[in-house]
Amino acid sequence: GAGVSQSPRYKVAKRGQDVALRCDPISGHVSLFWYQQALGQGPEFLTYFQNEAQLDKSGLPSDRFFAERPEGSVSTLKIQRTQQEDSAVYLCASSLVKEGGYTFGSGTRLTVV
Amino acid sequence: DQQVKQNSPSLSVQEGRISILNCDYTNSMFDYFLWYKKYPAEGPTFLISISSIKDKNEDGRFTVFLNKSAKHLSLHIVPSQPGDSAVYFCAAYNNDMRFGAGTRLTVKP
Repeated sequence: GAGVSQSPRYKVAKRGQDVALRCDPISGHVSLFWYQQALGQGPEFLTYFQNEAQLDKSGLPSDRFFAERPEGSVSTLKIQRTQQEDSAVYLCASSLVKEGGYTFGSGTRLTVV
Repeated sequence: DQQVKQNSPSLSVQEGRISILNCDYTNSMFDYFLWYKKYPAEGPTFLISISSIKDKNEDGRFTVFLNKSAKHLSLHIVPSQPGDSAVYFCAAYNNDMRFGAGTRLTVKP
């Protein structure tokens, strides 16, 4: 597609529920990033993929967070046993190279109630 | 650890005037700096960037200035237009990209 596509746009989860957020990057973009943006804050880095390899997951806040990109294109961010502090917008971005301007998706707004 | 700081949460300017958005950083290892623009319900959009070997980069109405000794960069928009109203994020890169908290710019007609 022309841009980075994320689904769902909005997700309401009950505390303790597992969620899966999908990112479809721009075709051919090698690098894929996940960011978490809390209300009133800038995006915070979660994890980075180069093709199917997860090269950096230092930003994942706990072992409840798991990301994968098995075929080097679509990526899924999974959050297990969601908690209220997980409520945020989850942004996915892709780029041809790790440096440079990223193209962001519109994000998934997760609300944990 | 806030390595990239945007100390002004909001800025309001009159159409046609200059908008100056500021950003400070603490990590001297950052070697690439970017500005992103974000409209409501959309993801951030890349606007302009500057390498640490330069002190100025210009693209149309947008100019980014980098002062490495002060660890400060700024984005100048001139002339400002109502369509420039958005949240602007400063970002800095070294192995991964760090973002500031954003400044909401309002350009009044």
